Amino acid sequence: EVQLLESGGDLLQPGGSLRLSCAASGFPFTTYAMSWVRQAPGKGLEWVSTISGRGDITFYADSVRGRFTISRDNSKNTLYLQMNSLRAEDTALYHCAKERVVQSIADAFDVWGQGTLVTVSS
Amino acid sequence: DIQVTQSPSTLSASVGDRVTITCRASQSLRGWLAWYQQKPGKAPNLLIYEASRLHTGVPSRFSGSGSGTEFTLTISSLQPDDFATYYCQPYSSESSCSFGQGTKLEIK
Repeated sequence: EVQLLESGGDLLQPGGSLRLSCAASGFPFTTYAMSWVRQAPGKGLEWVSTISGRGDITFYADSVRGRFTISRDNSKNTLYLQMNSLRAEDTALYHCAKERVVQSIADAFDVWGQGTLVTVSS
Repeated sequence: DIQVTQSPSTLSASVGDRVTITCRASQSLRGWLAWYQQKPGKAPNLLIYEASRLHTGVPSRFSGSGSGTEFTLTISSLQPDDFATYYCQPYSSESSCSFGQGTKLEIK
């Protein structure tokens, strides 16, 4: 069964840092681009970042560029999101998601994790 | 960046109704658009990709159409399980995959 399991969410103060993880199983992790998508409480979906299967190509939303870094460890089948200089507006449930097509870096997301909650508040 | 506008933001309908949700893009997506369904407290589920292709396991009452800048998601006969929030997502550009604002489908 294809599964994505996020972890690492926490409550922290503005300006803080946090690293989220997403453990993948049930599919050849290396061959798929992966993304992070967040959802603030009561709000819609917001794409955050995407990384290619080999980890050599990355993209970011304007709202997080320069503060967040996406990475992956293909030997551990794990996706990461390093979040620095956190702001109140980064408060959200963070989902990792798998792209539908192998070797593609721009496609629909066919598998989603349940998310990990990040709360930024003083 | 490509922007998409979904309409309506809220839709009230009854079981058995046919409903349509629209997604308009700021520039041509060709056919690179997906639709998702999300229920409260759950992760989104992919319904449609490439504007009109039904994802595995999705009931045939769901259909998608459109190309260029205007796309629609249609549910032919609403079932109780379909009351949820729906999002469109363009993916013609790898540098941006912004979602539409969402359409909440409510029971009338």
